[in-house]
Amino acid sequence: GAVVSQHPSRVICKSGTSVKIECRSLDFQATTMFWYRQFPKQSLMLMATSNEGSKATYEQGVEKDKFLINHASLTLSTLTVTSAHPEDSSFYICSATSPYGYTFGSGTRLTVV
Amino acid sequence: DQQVKQNSPSLSVQEGRISILNCDYTNSMFDYFLWYKKYPAEGPTFLISISSIKDKNEDGRFTVFLNKSAKHLSLHIVPSQPGDSAVYFCAASFGFGNEKLTFGTGTRLTIIP
Repeated sequence: GAVVSQHPSRVICKSGTSVKIECRSLDFQATTMFWYRQFPKQSLMLMATSNEGSKATYEQGVEKDKFLINHASLTLSTLTVTSAHPEDSSFYICSATSPYGYTFGSGTRLTVV
Repeated sequence: DQQVKQNSPSLSVQEGRISILNCDYTNSMFDYFLWYKKYPAEGPTFLISISSIKDKNEDGRFTVFLNKSAKHLSLHIVPSQPGDSAVYFCAASFGFGNEKLTFGTGTRLTIIP
């Protein structure tokens, strides 16, 4: 089946710094990837849709200048949380549509201290 | 505005019995529905899906029922096993493919040995 690799699995950073999260499709090409965020005991909320070679589409209320998304190739999308603050601490998950359906990465636990 | 809802935040079921998880949606334009199982700090694992042209789909111990007129779907797990204990999310999309998923609020299923 299709595999989406997401790194890092967890990261702790200082307030004000930036953090990059990578999402790779290992055995298929993903023209579209999705980035979700999950706060404790809540649902997965879509942040943005990442399209290869074009600008990402952000959901309402998500700051595009704070959450930078780059989808430079058919197998890699990155999410950069810029000037992170404690309220950005969350679980971030990427997803891609493979021939087998929607495939999710294993997620990244971001803690901003 | 929560377009996909799971009204039971938790459910406990005896091992061997049937687990029934429910999901309601408000947008009649959704035409593809999925169920995922999720553990803390991990990405969701796909279980089963159904398109709006069907009212039932079965895969092993998992069966999904769709009632379009009621905008309701349910996941039946039988027989329930201890390894089924997890949080279950339903999700909906406007078609299959490069369409974003809208997730429900989740139901924590606990199987009692």
